[in-house]
Order: sequence, then C-alpha cells, then structure tokens
Amino acid sequence: QMQLQESGPGLVKPSETLSLTCTVSGDSITSYYWNWIRQSPGKGLEWIGYISYSGISNYNPSLNSRVTMSLDTSKNQFSLRVTSMTAADTAVYYCAREVPDSVGYYCDFWGQGTLVTVSS
Amino acid sequence: SSELTQDPAVSVALGQTVRITCQGDSLRRYYANWFQQKPGQAPVLVIFGKNRRPSGIPDRFSGSSSGDTASLTITGAQAEDEADYYCNSRDRSGNSVIFGGGTKLTVL
Repeated sequence: QMQLQESGPGLVKPSETLSLTCTVSGDSITSYYWNWIRQSPGKGLEWIGYISYSGISNYNPSLNSRVTMSLDTSKNQFSLRVTSMTAADTAVYYCAREVPDSVGYYCDFWGQGTLVTVSS
Repeated sequence: SSELTQDPAVSVALGQTVRITCQGDSLRRYYANWFQQKPGQAPVLVIFGKNRRPSGIPDRFSGSSSGDTASLTITGAQAEDEADYYCNSRDRSGNSVIFGGGTKLTVL
C-alpha cells in the first residue's frame, strides 16, 4: 500500500529556512509528480509546488523565490526547502503524489501532514 | 486562469441530496478532482477525472462537469459526510496546481 510520511522540525524561527522530507513507500518516485501543499490554521489548501519524476519542478508564483524542491531516488524521498520563514508560513505541510491521466491530474495519496510553527 | 471558486458553506438535511459546485476557467480544459477533509485529518480524494471514485469511496459521491463548472453531488447525505470539500485541477496552462477555497458541508 502506498504511503507518504513527512518529517522535519515542528518549530522554526523567523527568517530561518525550513527543510522537510517526504518518504515514499509502496511505489517508486521515479514516476508521477510529487507535490507539497500546505494549510494554514483554519484556512484552505495552498499548493506550494511539485517536482516531477524527471526532476522538473514548478512552484507557486507567490512563493517561487523562496522554494526549492529536490528528489533523492536512492532513498525514495523528496524534499522541500523554504527560506526566510515568517509567521505567515505557519501551517500543516502535506506531501502528495499526483498522477497524470488522459483528462487531467489528481493527487491520490497524501501524507498525514506535519505542523510547522514559525516562532522565536 | 489560476482560480477555482467554491461557495464557503452548504447545508443538507440527513438523507437528502446536496450539490457542491466549483467554477473556474481551467475546468474547460481539465476535470475537477474533489477532496473531503475532516478536522485534524489529511484530505481524502473522493472523485477524480470523469466521475471516478477511488476504492473505498461510497457510490453516493458523484461528479459532473459542464463548461467552466464542476459539481460534486452527494446522494443521500450521511452524518459522516459532514466535512470540508475542496475542488482542484491544474491551471489552464497545465503547469500549476490550483485548489478552490473549500466548502464547509453541514449535515442537519
């Protein structure tokens, strides 16, 4: 069964860099698209970006200059890096697999999410 | 366009039928996906593509689309269907992922 698990610090200081990792089991990351999505407390889902199986990445324009994603195929993991964190970045961060098909794309498996709080 | 618009809240009487809508230009190119999210839990895919349901999703959930509007219909809503529902697709260019603002469904 496909599973994704986020890991990383639960607390980040303002201006610091957040690094999160998503470990994938049950499938190889050498296919599909691998997304990061976040949800601020009481708010909706916000797409952060994706990295494809071939290493091509695309980010939300609102975060573009602060976000970097990478793949580690040897560990079947993908990672997120967000620089210059502020309180507005406090959120639950999810990783998700996105599958393309003939009529679109869909995120079928998600991690359980990890809460990241930005505070000094 | 990079926006999907949903009504913030909808209510339905137990056992009745409810439709949740999602509007956006990208839906003229891509089918909408629908996610159910309960408090403290990750979103769960309930409808994707052309009215397809993942394994384990009850058949009271269905999807439809017309022009720039997609709909999620719950036929015979149950108490456990009370949740937030989000639509999603790629944007018109196909390069970015977009989500609707979410609809809070209350089952009365």
